[in-house]
Amino acid sequence: NAGVTQTPKFQVLKTGQSMTLQCAQDMNHEYMSWYRQDPGMGLRLIHYSVGAGITDQGEVPNGYNVSRSTTEDFPLRLLSAAPSQTSVYFCASSYGTGRKETQYFGPGTRLLVL
Amino acid sequence: AQSVTQLDSHVSVSEGTPVLLRCNYSSSYSPSLFWYVQHPNKGLQLLLKYTSAATLVKGINGFEAEFKKSETSFHLTKPSAHMSDAAEYFCVVSGAGNTPLVFGKGTRLSVIA
Repeated sequence: NAGVTQTPKFQVLKTGQSMTLQCAQDMNHEYMSWYRQDPGMGLRLIHYSVGAGITDQGEVPNGYNVSRSTTEDFPLRLLSAAPSQTSVYFCASSYGTGRKETQYFGPGTRLLVL
Repeated sequence: AQSVTQLDSHVSVSEGTPVLLRCNYSSSYSPSLFWYVQHPNKGLQLLLKYTSAATLVKGINGFEAEFKKSETSFHLTKPSAHMSDAAEYFCVVSGAGNTPLVFGKGTRLSVIA
């Protein structure tokens, strides 16, 4: 049971490039989400999904795209990278969508946009 | 809408002394509250959670938190700090239904030998 896995661990991009951050979980969790973490800002929600085929925007969705074709995978796409997207990105999942559910976090992807 | 405020961005304690990390919340609904810990270069891990059962919640590694509705607080405590407790701690609130979690900005705990 690997839990929540993220790839890559670290990435450097040039402004304007696109890329996909991968997230997978093997716990059969319905709810998955993407956060970005910036110094002094805590974690801010980018996009989330309550099940395969269903996604919604969080607090800071601009410049990012997601899809959920399977229960296991929830990739995050940067359409045209900007320096403001330099951050640490965390994927999380939980068994249900209820407010009492524990979130399980991946190890993070550090992204540097030059 | 819900919100959470962590009152200290940085707390420094000596090893063996008590830890207090403060969190106040605001919620239109009866909230669920969580504390997560993040060690350097790691993901977040659940310490403990309150979900409308007992108001004093015990978590892992000797941490506990008390839900005080009258004070809208959910402070995290530990009787005796250990060097391994040095980390970033996040207070988190959730509201009704599928509304996403709201994270505080974090409190960095330093433990001095």
